[in-house]
Amino acid sequence: DTAVSQTPKYLVTQMGNDKSIKCEQNLGHDTMYWYKQDSKKFLKIMFSYNNKELIINETVPNRFSPKSPDKAHLNLHINSLELGDSAVYFCASSQVVTRAGNEQFFGPGTRLTVL
Amino acid sequence: AQSVTQPDIHITVSEGASLELRCNYSYGATPYLFWYVQSPGQGLQLLLKYFSGDTLVQGIKGFEAEFKRSQSSFNLRKPSVHWSDAAEYFCAVAGAGSYQLTFGKGTKLSVIP
Repeated sequence: DTAVSQTPKYLVTQMGNDKSIKCEQNLGHDTMYWYKQDSKKFLKIMFSYNNKELIINETVPNRFSPKSPDKAHLNLHINSLELGDSAVYFCASSQVVTRAGNEQFFGPGTRLTVL
Repeated sequence: AQSVTQPDIHITVSEGASLELRCNYSYGATPYLFWYVQSPGQGLQLLLKYFSGDTLVQGIKGFEAEFKRSQSSFNLRKPSVHWSDAAEYFCAVAGAGSYQLTFGKGTKLSVIP
C-alpha cells in the first residue's frame, strides 16, 4: 500500500497553461504539505494544511493554489505556468504535531517541466 | 528562525569505507532533528530522528547519528558503505510543536565500487 501518492509522476506542459497535481495519503494523518525541490535539490515548503485548514503559506506566487477537499487529499493547482515553475513537487503528510515532533512522510514527487 | 547547514555538497567514498555526513543546525531551543535519504528519482525516506534522550540514535539501513548540543551538530554515520547507499541525504530540523520542517541543501553521496 502506497502511504503518500501523487499523480501524475511526470508533467510536461507549455507556458501559460493551468495544471493540477493531486496528492492522497492513506496514513490517517491530519496534516499535509507541498514542497518544491529546485534543480539544485533544495527543498522548500510551500503550503501546509491541517484538517483542511491552511496553516503554512510561504511566499509563493498566488498562481499556486492548494485545495484540500478532505484531510486525506491536498491538491496543488498552478495557473499561468512559467518556465521557473519547472521543478519536482513533493507532497508530504504527518500526524498532528505532538511533543514528539513532526515526522513527515513523503510522496514520490511530480516532475513538472514547463516548455 | 531555524536553519540547517550541510557543509559538504558532494562526497565520494569507496564501497566498504566508513561515512560521516555533517549537519549543523540553528535553533533557539531543543530541536527535533531528522535525516532523510532521496534515491535518484525517488521521494524522501526517513533514516532516523532525534527527539530527546540518548544522543546516539540508530536508524534504518545501518545508519546512526549523534546529537551534540555543544556543537549544534547532528552528523550521520555508517561504518561500511554499500553501493546502494549512493543518494542525496538531507538533514532537517523542527521545533517542538512546530509544523515547519526546515531542510538543509543536501549532500550527494557517490560510492565507488
